[in-house]
Amino acid sequence: SQTIHQWPATLVQPVGSPLSLECTVEGTSNPNLYWYRQAAGRGLQLLFYSVGIGQISSEVPQNLSASRPQDRQFILSSKKLLLSDSGFYLCAWTDRGHYSNQPQHFGDGTRLSIL
Amino acid sequence: GDSVTQMEGPVTLSEEAFLTINCTYTATGYPSLFWYVQYPGEGLQLLLKATKADDKGSNKGFEATYRKETTSFHLEKGSVQVSDSAVYFCALRRLSGGSNYKLTFGKGTLLTVNP
Repeated sequence: SQTIHQWPATLVQPVGSPLSLECTVEGTSNPNLYWYRQAAGRGLQLLFYSVGIGQISSEVPQNLSASRPQDRQFILSSKKLLLSDSGFYLCAWTDRGHYSNQPQHFGDGTRLSIL
Repeated sequence: GDSVTQMEGPVTLSEEAFLTINCTYTATGYPSLFWYVQYPGEGLQLLLKATKADDKGSNKGFEATYRKETTSFHLEKGSVQVSDSAVYFCALRRLSGGSNYKLTFGKGTLLTVNP
């Protein structure tokens, strides 16, 4: 069966420090991968998605970047964190395919607090 | 563009009460529809889905019917439990082009069930 792992679960970082969050998927090949942020309140904001190695699409301009160095690995990074980067970060995957009835599957999230 | 509108929360119910969370959508074509649940401090879990008009998705006592004529996908449960307390997200998925599928989420509805 497919699984998705995110780490770390919780992270406290000072303003101006770098960031690296990692997400890996097991049990599938060539997935579409996604990074979301859930800020204060409950809404989800899509940050990046990737349809293949080295292919990254950004949804919103921001202080963050994403990379996909391997097929099932997705990394969210920042060179200098801002207070506004605080939030709950979620990684998700879905099967590559031509049918729209496939859901996205989410990791357990990383709670990021910027001090 | 696509959009999903959920009823504003929070929703507070007593145990064994009937639950309805309204969800309406705007999308061209024939999207697939999903309900996700997020328990405190966790990622999103797929609760149920429906892929075509008049489909009924069901899971763990929750149900939702894909109503194309009213563009709705309301979530219902006949008797809620304290353990159902969570945030519920309605979402749709439509092929965006190529293989880059995106989900459009509602803002979420917080449900609190009291004993």
